[in-house]
Amino acid sequence: DTVMTQSPATLSVSPGERATFSCRASQNIRSKIAWYQQKPGQAPRLLIYGASSRATGVPARFSGSGSGTEFTLTISSLQSEDFAVYYCQHYYDWPLTFGGGTKVEIK
Amino acid sequence: QLQLQESGPGLVKPSETLSLTCTVSGDSINSPFYYWGWIRQPPGRGLEWIATVFYTGNTYYNPSLESRVTISIDTSKNQFSLRVTSVTAADTAIYYCARQMNHGGSVDYFDFWGQGALITVSS
Repeated sequence: DTVMTQSPATLSVSPGERATFSCRASQNIRSKIAWYQQKPGQAPRLLIYGASSRATGVPARFSGSGSGTEFTLTISSLQSEDFAVYYCQHYYDWPLTFGGGTKVEIK
Repeated sequence: QLQLQESGPGLVKPSETLSLTCTVSGDSINSPFYYWGWIRQPPGRGLEWIATVFYTGNTYYNPSLESRVTISIDTSKNQFSLRVTSVTAADTAIYYCARQMNHGGSVDYFDFWGQGALITVSS
């Protein structure tokens, strides 16, 4: 199985600041990674697919990068609605696996 | 507008079988462009993929759950379902159904999710 490791587990950021967090795959998954945002009491929401493509309706302040085993999600200027948990997920092969999540909290 | 709605018992006793249904509205489940999957999330924890089904009936399972899980699809009702046998407290979770894109015959990301159904395993 491909293990997805996210870091850090928690990130404290002030509104307006830039937030960057990582996801590492245990094997080469090319660009077959998606990022999701989950707010309390809600289902996850697709943000990024194919490592760097934004899903429909996702603001331009969200960007993804990377390929192979190292991936990054960046929020250029944090808004109040961006404080949430973020998960990465690979879809390179079966079984599909998720990272453990990064919680972005208000500093 | 696409909607996915999970339905289930809410409370299941240990050792019994959990049955969940996802009803899809706003799009046909009988499509070669999508797969349909189940994901769960124990309270306060991360996401775990359970199983995926294609409109042809082809199925894919998480090996960690495969011996206890069955996913099926009913295109006439625009629904797909999940059964988990011999449940324990460890199966307590929010269960989400979701649509997965199909690009060139390979499964892709989950682009649309249901709101989730909390299933508690307790006597």
